[in-house]
Amino acid sequence: AQSVSQHNHHVILSEAASLELGCNYSYGGTVNLFWYVQYPGQHLQLLLKYFSGDPLVKGIKGFEAEFIKSKFSFNLRKPSVQWSDTAEYFCAVAKAAGNKLTFGGGTRVLVKP
Amino acid sequence: DTGVSQDPRHKITKRGQNVTFRCDPISEHNRLYWYRQTLGQGPEFLTYFQNEAQLEKSRLLSDRFSAERPKGSFSTLEIQRTEQGDSAMYLCASHLNTGELFFGEGSRLTVL
Repeated sequence: AQSVSQHNHHVILSEAASLELGCNYSYGGTVNLFWYVQYPGQHLQLLLKYFSGDPLVKGIKGFEAEFIKSKFSFNLRKPSVQWSDTAEYFCAVAKAAGNKLTFGGGTRVLVKP
Repeated sequence: DTGVSQDPRHKITKRGQNVTFRCDPISEHNRLYWYRQTLGQGPEFLTYFQNEAQLEKSRLLSDRFSAERPKGSFSTLEIQRTEQGDSAMYLCASHLNTGELFFGEGSRLTVL
């Protein structure tokens, strides 16, 4: 069965700092990759997704992620965070378009003003 | 407003009682998923429907759990004889073969 690992459970940083969240998955076949965000008290929202093509994917709110197939990784980055980026971030993997997503355990990010 | 609505948002029940959650997906979405999320964990897949057909069930879905989507629109998730371990957020999501899931705000269950 596929699994998704997010290395950091909690990240605390100051505004304007750079953010990188790690995500590794175990499935060896073709995958679709996602990052979702859950702001306090809100539902899960899609930040970005990768299906094929350019492995550097840009999402909303200045986030980007890079798919490195050889490393089975899909790390999320943002060059300069804001207080409003305080949220929980989830990496997710699906074997093919339309199949169920398998989520990582999440990384809780706190941005200090 | 995500377009996926869930009801009720919160449910507190005593152990042994039955509970039912409802999910109304985005209207043209043919796939509907149920997930469960506990504190500090990512969402865990429970089951999904393609129109009215239930195509996959997780081993997490014990015999006390049943899900339906009778007309291929809304879905219900029923938990019978609830246990304290059933306390969690139950999430519904839908999509239209794009791979991206649109989530509702969830139904939080507390079993006393």
